[in-house]
Amino acid sequence: QVQLQQSGAELVKPGSSVKISCKASGYTFTSYDMHWIKQQPGNGLEWIGWIYPGNGNTKYNQKFNGKATLTADKSSSTAYMQLSSLTSEDSAVYFCARDGGYSDFFAYWGQGTLVTVSS
Amino acid sequence: DIQMTQSPASLSASLGETVTIECRASEDIYSNLAWYQQKPGNSPQLLIYDANSLADGVPSRFSGSGSGTQYSLKINSLQSEDVASYFCQQYNNYTFGAGTKLELK
Repeated sequence: QVQLQQSGAELVKPGSSVKISCKASGYTFTSYDMHWIKQQPGNGLEWIGWIYPGNGNTKYNQKFNGKATLTADKSSSTAYMQLSSLTSEDSAVYFCARDGGYSDFFAYWGQGTLVTVSS
Repeated sequence: DIQMTQSPASLSASLGETVTIECRASEDIYSNLAWYQQKPGNSPQLLIYDANSLADGVPSRFSGSGSGTQYSLKINSLQSEDVASYFCQQYNNYTFGAGTKLELK
């Protein structure tokens, strides 16, 4: 069965960077887009971008250009998102999600990674 | 960007009741519309895709309909396990509705 296992919660300082991971299993990692989504406490969902691990192609929500960098390691079936120049506005739960294959709905989700930015 | 306007923001209903949640897109999204359920502390789970297709394992009391810019999610015979937040999403460029929090009356 498809599983997306994300890395654990992070407490980071303002101005620093953080890299969170999403390890995929149960399907061919290189054949599906991996998306990343932000959810702030009590708020809705915001799409950050996607990466196609097969060739490394990426697409970002313009709002996150320069903030998020998506990468993927085919050898370990793991997708990564690095967030840079962190501020309190980046404190949120971040999800990875795999698309449906023939269409871009989010068929499978990771459990989420809480990032807290605090001095 | 396509804007998704979801209503109501919150909803209180009784067990066994039928509830409907609406989403309106700012332009035609050609049925590229999904609905997700999120329970507190959990990740969202896919309920409906392509506006009216039921995801694997989702109870048949959930249904989706709509086209163009207007879409809806209907829950028949509300169960206690349906208490959750519900989000619509268009996947032309991936914007979500603000969510509907469903509670029991």
